[in-house]
Amino acid sequence: GQNIDQPTEMTATEGAIVQINCTYQTSGFNGLFWYQQHAGEAPTFLSYNVLDGLEEKGRFSSFLSRSKGYSYLLLKELQMKDSASYLCAVRGSTDKLIFGTGTRLQVFP
Amino acid sequence: EAQVTQNPRYLITVTGKKLTVTCSQNMNHEYMSWYRQDPGLGLRQIYYSMNVEVTDKGDVPEGYKVSRKEKRNFPLILESPSPNQTSLYFCATGGNTEAFFGQGTRLTVV
Repeated sequence: GQNIDQPTEMTATEGAIVQINCTYQTSGFNGLFWYQQHAGEAPTFLSYNVLDGLEEKGRFSSFLSRSKGYSYLLLKELQMKDSASYLCAVRGSTDKLIFGTGTRLQVFP
Repeated sequence: EAQVTQNPRYLITVTGKKLTVTCSQNMNHEYMSWYRQDPGLGLRQIYYSMNVEVTDKGDVPEGYKVSRKEKRNFPLILESPSPNQTSLYFCATGGNTEAFFGQGTRLTVV
């Protein structure tokens, strides 16, 4: 079967660093996506990894290890506005995007 | 500006009354998809389309229909809505390395 696992909830303090993990088991692999979603709003694209390694975009970085079926999203210098859900999604062999249930991050002052 | 536009944003309807949620994209993408999002279940794919006149079932297609007569539009049709279709719906489109979502349609079926 196809499965994507993420922690349900995480908390962190403003200014800190947080790492959100994602493990996956899918039929084929054509890329991994991270999205941010504020409550009641549409998901917005954060990052895309298809090769192993780290992709950095400002305060956000995403890492992929295809052999381990593992990715993480690293958020640095946390701000209150980073409180949101973070969705991990994998594009499988049929080009379908399969989503995890998301990690709800709460940032406290 | 690249956009995915869904309408309506909010809809309350009664059981059995046919409805259509429209989705339009201006990015000339071949791939379009519909998802529903429910608490604790995440985003689940309803239908997707790889190109004009090509549609396929996702994970939860029962009770839904779609059509793809032209590249930019991908409407979601509920022929006979039921209360278990109360949900937040998203249309999405994408290229190889990104995917874009519409603003969402919050549907309530009473």
